Amino acid sequence: GAVVSQHPSWVICKSGTSVKIECRSLDFQATTMFWYRQFPKQSLMLMATSNEGSKATYEQGVEKDKFLINHASLTLSTLTVTSAHPEDSSFYICSAQRGTGVISLHFGNGTRLTVT
Amino acid sequence: GQNIDQPTEMTATEGAIVQINCTYQTSGFNGLFWYQQHAGEAPTFLSYNVLDGLEEKGRFSSFLSRSKGYSYLLLKELQMKDSASYLCAVLDSNYQLIWGAGTKLIIKP
Repeated sequence: GAVVSQHPSWVICKSGTSVKIECRSLDFQATTMFWYRQFPKQSLMLMATSNEGSKATYEQGVEKDKFLINHASLTLSTLTVTSAHPEDSSFYICSAQRGTGVISLHFGNGTRLTVT
Repeated sequence: GQNIDQPTEMTATEGAIVQINCTYQTSGFNGLFWYQQHAGEAPTFLSYNVLDGLEEKGRFSSFLSRSKGYSYLLLKELQMKDSASYLCAVLDSNYQLIWGAGTKLIIKP
């Protein structure tokens, strides 16, 4: 089946530093990737939609200069949390769309970010 | 606005049956998903309904009524490993996924 690899699984960083999270589709090409954030006991919140070769589309309220998204190839998208603060501590999940079918969404295993 | 409602938490007994309800109000409808999410892990796909009726897949079944804006996920012969959060999500007219907050299901022996 389709596999999406997300790295790292967890990261602890100091306030003010930047953290990069990678999302790779291992056995398919993903023209579209999605980045979500999930706080404890809450649902997934879409942060941005990333299309290969173009700028990401950010959801309302998400700072594009703070959450930098790069979708350089059909198999890789990265999310960089710049100047991280404790309130950025969350579970970040990517998903990749395989093909155009509505049930073609495949999720990475998520990254637990803790900012101290 | 768009809204998806599901219970916050439910408790059931191992071997029993549980029904998790989901009601939605969205701008357009292109299908409803159920995902299972264990703590600290990514969601995994369970079902997709776009037409009214019941879809059965092993121990799990999903029902949809578009006129009522309602769906449920039915889990039979509950096992301890079914303890997880169950997320209801609707694909709206722009093909954007609108997520519910999830229902935490606790299975007791």
